Amino acid sequence: AQSVTQPDIHITVSEGASLELRCNYSYGATPYLFWYVQSPGQGLQLLLKYFSGDTLVQGIKGFEAEFKRSQSSFNLRKPSVHWSDAAEYFCAVGAGLTGGGNKLTFGTGTQLKVEL
Amino acid sequence: DGGITQSPKYLFRKEGQNVTLSCEQNLNHDAMYWYRQDPGQGLRLIYYSQIVNDFQKGDIAEGYSVSREKKESFPLTVTSAQKNPTAFYLCASSPQTGRKTEAFFGQGTRLTVV
Repeated sequence: AQSVTQPDIHITVSEGASLELRCNYSYGATPYLFWYVQSPGQGLQLLLKYFSGDTLVQGIKGFEAEFKRSQSSFNLRKPSVHWSDAAEYFCAVGAGLTGGGNKLTFGTGTQLKVEL
Repeated sequence: DGGITQSPKYLFRKEGQNVTLSCEQNLNHDAMYWYRQDPGQGLRLIYYSQIVNDFQKGDIAEGYSVSREKKESFPLTVTSAQKNPTAFYLCASSPQTGRKTEAFFGQGTRLTVV
């Protein structure tokens, strides 16, 4: 069965500093990987996704993530954090469903706090 | 605008009552999903449906039921058999075009047992 580990429950960074959120996955086949962001009391918004090809993927809001198969990792990065980035971030791996679509398995999330 | 609408945003249930959470999408997506979110546990899959009149159990289906009578709608009923129903419930949908698809989420319903 697939699984996702986000080892950092909380992270605090200063505005303007760089950010890296860690994600490790376990999946027997080629993983399809996602990063989502959630503001308090809201739904999830997709930041970026990896299906195949270039291992460095660009997303919205200036985020990027790098897929490293040898390390089973898909870490999320941003060069300069803005106060509006404060939210909870979820990494997910998709297991393909017969007939299409993905059954997503999520990590437990990383809560990001941004200090002004 | 296309999207997923969940209602109500907040729902209160008394012990022993069944309640139904609504999820409607106008994205013309075939697949729909229900997830439960608890603090510190991420999201867990309750049920999913890939086609009208068909649905499958996810990882935590006990105490829940669903129906898929229309492509646009995938309501979730939280039954009295669900021992700990207080949680944030998220509905999602995705186009059914192989595995290279992403899920789009609604804004969620927060259910509280009183």
